[in-house]
Amino acid sequence: QVQLVQSGAEVKKPGASVKVSCKASGYTLDSHDINWVRQATGQGLEWLGWMTPERGSSGHAHNFQDRVAMTTNTSINTAFLEVSSLRSDDTAIYYCARVRCVGDDCFADLWGQGTLVTVSS
Amino acid sequence: DIQLTQSPSFLSASVGERVTFTCRASQAIGSDLAWYQQRPGKAPKLLMYAASTLHSGVPSRFSGRGSGTEFTLTISSLQPEDFATYYCQQFNSYPLTFGGGTKVEIK
Repeated sequence: QVQLVQSGAEVKKPGASVKVSCKASGYTLDSHDINWVRQATGQGLEWLGWMTPERGSSGHAHNFQDRVAMTTNTSINTAFLEVSSLRSDDTAIYYCARVRCVGDDCFADLWGQGTLVTVSS
Repeated sequence: DIQLTQSPSFLSASVGERVTFTCRASQAIGSDLAWYQQRPGKAPKLLMYAASTLHSGVPSRFSGRGSGTEFTLTISSLQPEDFATYYCQQFNSYPLTFGGGTKVEIK
């Protein structure tokens, strides 16, 4: 079954870091980009960044430039998102999503189930 | 950055009704737009890409139109399972961005 399975919920204190994993099954992680998206409670979707596992290249939304790191471990077919210097407004569900392109047309067709990260003192 | 503005933000409709909502881009994005449906407590689900291409397995009552800066998603006959929030996302240039969403509720 083709799916993305994310790690479980996390509770962190302000200033700490969190690392969320996203394990691909049914396909090889290297074959498509992974995007990370988050959603605060009752709010819309916020795009965090992308990575190309095959090349190890990545990019982020401007307001996360220095606080997010996206990596992969292809030996275990897993992508990771690390967010550092956590603040209370980082409390959200974090999603990974596979981005496929058909010619020039790209889309996120496979999503993880989401990981709730709560930042609280 | 490309801003996407969805309207309305909230829509109340009845089962069987035809509904249309809009996504406007702050600059031209060709047809590099996808639509997603999100039910409460669930991850988003892809409905449409390239503005008007129906994703595999999505019912044909969903249709998308538009190019440039104005896009629409239409549900021809609303079904109970369609009550959800709908988001557009542009893939034209980084950073990728989402619209604020349209929540469809039962009248």
